[in-house]
Amino acid sequence: DAGVTQSPTHLIKTRGQQVTLRCSPKSGHDTVSWYQQALGQGPQFIFQYYEEEERQRGNFPDRFSGHQFPNYSSELNVNALLLGDSALYLCASSFTGTGRRNEQFFGPGTRLTVL
Amino acid sequence: GQQVMQIPQYQHVQEGEDFTTYCNSSTTLSNIQWYKQRPGGHPVFLIQLVKSGEVKKQKRLTFQFGEAKKNSSLHITATQTTDVGTYFCAGPGGSSNTGKLIFGQGTTLQVKP
Repeated sequence: DAGVTQSPTHLIKTRGQQVTLRCSPKSGHDTVSWYQQALGQGPQFIFQYYEEEERQRGNFPDRFSGHQFPNYSSELNVNALLLGDSALYLCASSFTGTGRRNEQFFGPGTRLTVL
Repeated sequence: GQQVMQIPQYQHVQEGEDFTTYCNSSTTLSNIQWYKQRPGGHPVFLIQLVKSGEVKKQKRLTFQFGEAKKNSSLHITATQTTDVGTYFCAGPGGSSNTGKLIFGQGTTLQVKP
């Protein structure tokens, strides 16, 4: 049973560029949340997708957008990259139907460096 | 806005000593979760506490949820080098059904062999 997978593992971009990160949830999970973790900090909630719609959003600008596909996988897009966007981007999956919606399984993350 | 704070930020202990990290929320929580992140790794779910005053144990780890459901603690007895990592508490942002988690800044534990 595969856990949460993310790609790519590492990414280097320059300011102003755009980036797309990908996530496949754990088998049986239908909900995907994205978090940004700066060095030495706890993960910060970006948004969550369920039934192919953004269900909730954290305090991130519109440069951060996402998508969920019918197979529950998800993408995170960041436009007009800033140096401050350098961080570990974590995808977490969960299953909405259990009632324990908050228990989330994290992927290994994508380390984004913006130069 | 809702905040979750953890202390201490760092803790260095000798192997065999005990370790405790404390978590405080600015709002009452419906539940609290604890995660462990090894160096270079990703957060791994440890446990969820739901009831006021709840205490749960996992081998050498003891988790408590405060009576007011605004604070929690994680205590590790007789630390081992395998306990090294950053421990995060996290509570639901908003209602319990949103799925959004608010994380503390974590407590990083170093264990000297």
